[in-house]
Amino acid sequence: RKEVEQDPGPFNVPEGATVAFNCTYSNSASQSFFWYRQDCRKEPKLLMSVYSSGNEDGRFTAQLNRASQYISLLIRDSKLSDSATYLCVVSSGGSYIPTFGRGTSLIVHP
Amino acid sequence: NAGVTQTPKFQVLKTGQSMTLQCAQDMNHEYMSWYRQDPGMGLRLIHYSVGAGITDQGEVPNGYNVSRSTTEDFPLRLLSAAPSQTSVYFCASDASGNYNEQFFGPGTRLTVL
Repeated sequence: RKEVEQDPGPFNVPEGATVAFNCTYSNSASQSFFWYRQDCRKEPKLLMSVYSSGNEDGRFTAQLNRASQYISLLIRDSKLSDSATYLCVVSSGGSYIPTFGRGTSLIVHP
Repeated sequence: NAGVTQTPKFQVLKTGQSMTLQCAQDMNHEYMSWYRQDPGMGLRLIHYSVGAGITDQGEVPNGYNVSRSTTEDFPLRLLSAAPSQTSVYFCASDASGNYNEQFFGPGTRLTVL
């Protein structure tokens, strides 16, 4: 079983929709969690870190559920420019080796 | 401030050839990493460095060497290229070593024939 799993999608949604992605992880010792965004044929860029208490940045909300070992990303009021692949990243405190999910593809259409 | 730069952007090699992918950062970050990204596989860590003179293996180090003689530069060497090394290679740096924010270079698309 892969350590970090994401639904590859694609999620195809209209502008203005709310969409949510989940990412499950298998290592219960995981301590750091992140969402990255990757545009087609570009490098990944940090979207947001995920904190235990949950955090929000504008239209984006990230949540962590340690008991069920998953993190989520909620995007409200989707824009065309949100179309991208969203990568979940998990790492444990003692290791510098992060584990990337395979990514979830989002397509926002007019 | 250029961030993380990588050269070349594209490269085609024949099986058995060697080459070096260059990576440089101007943010004075201690931590640097090399990843490869393959379709359906996600990014996988090849090698990383926690400071000048210190390197360590990641998840998929075989067939690759690295060195870190300066804070700025972290080249990746392919010793004898194989078709299985066809991939997109990303270099990244971060200041904290805790993935608070990794900055990625634009990538090198490598094809090995």
